Amino acid sequence: DIQMTQSPSTLSASVGDRVTITCRASQSISTWLAWYQQKSGKAPKLLIYKASTLQSGVPSRFSGSGSGTEFTLTISSLQPDDSAIYYCQKYDLYPVIFGLGTRLEI
Amino acid sequence: QVQLVESGGSVVQPGRSLRLSCAASGLTFSNTILHWVRQAPGKGLEWVAGISTDGKNEHYPDSVKGRLTISRDNAKNTLYLQMSGLTPDDTAMYYCARGSYSSGRCDVFDIWGQGTMVTVSS
Repeated sequence: DIQMTQSPSTLSASVGDRVTITCRASQSISTWLAWYQQKSGKAPKLLIYKASTLQSGVPSRFSGSGSGTEFTLTISSLQPDDSAIYYCQKYDLYPVIFGLGTRLEI
Repeated sequence: QVQLVESGGSVVQPGRSLRLSCAASGLTFSNTILHWVRQAPGKGLEWVAGISTDGKNEHYPDSVKGRLTISRDNAKNTLYLQMSGLTPDDTAMYYCARGSYSSGRCDVFDIWGQGTMVTVSS
């Protein structure tokens, strides 16, 4: 199976900072990559799909890029509400695989 | 609005079976691809099953194949996950989720339930 590697595993930043989280696939997945945000005690929330398409209702400070094996999630200006764990997910083929997550501390 | 509500989670002994349910509302259930995703305490997300709209196609990772069975009742707008031979490694929050924005073979999960907790312990 394809492996999904996220980095960093933990990230500490301040309000207003620009932050980038990276997700690498062990094989090419084209642009079949999604990003989720999970806050403590809550279900995950879809942020971005097809590597760069923003899900409806998600603030425009979130953006995604990449193709093939390397992808990034960028938050342009951190807000206190962005404190969460962020997961990438590949969906080119079954099995669906998630990255291990990046904990973002504000 | 679209809502997915899981139920059936409990504390069960190793080796036992359990069936989870997910009741859907606010969507056309029979046109909706559905999945189960679990999360062990303090751990990441693990996809464990997916099912096509008509229930004829099921997908599982190798880690659960043969022990977990996904099914659906389109007349009752309900998704199920039958779990057998439970071990402590199955202890997790189990979420049902709607599949969307398909790649043609696989989906992202755009709507999630609140989850139901399964604890496997003697």
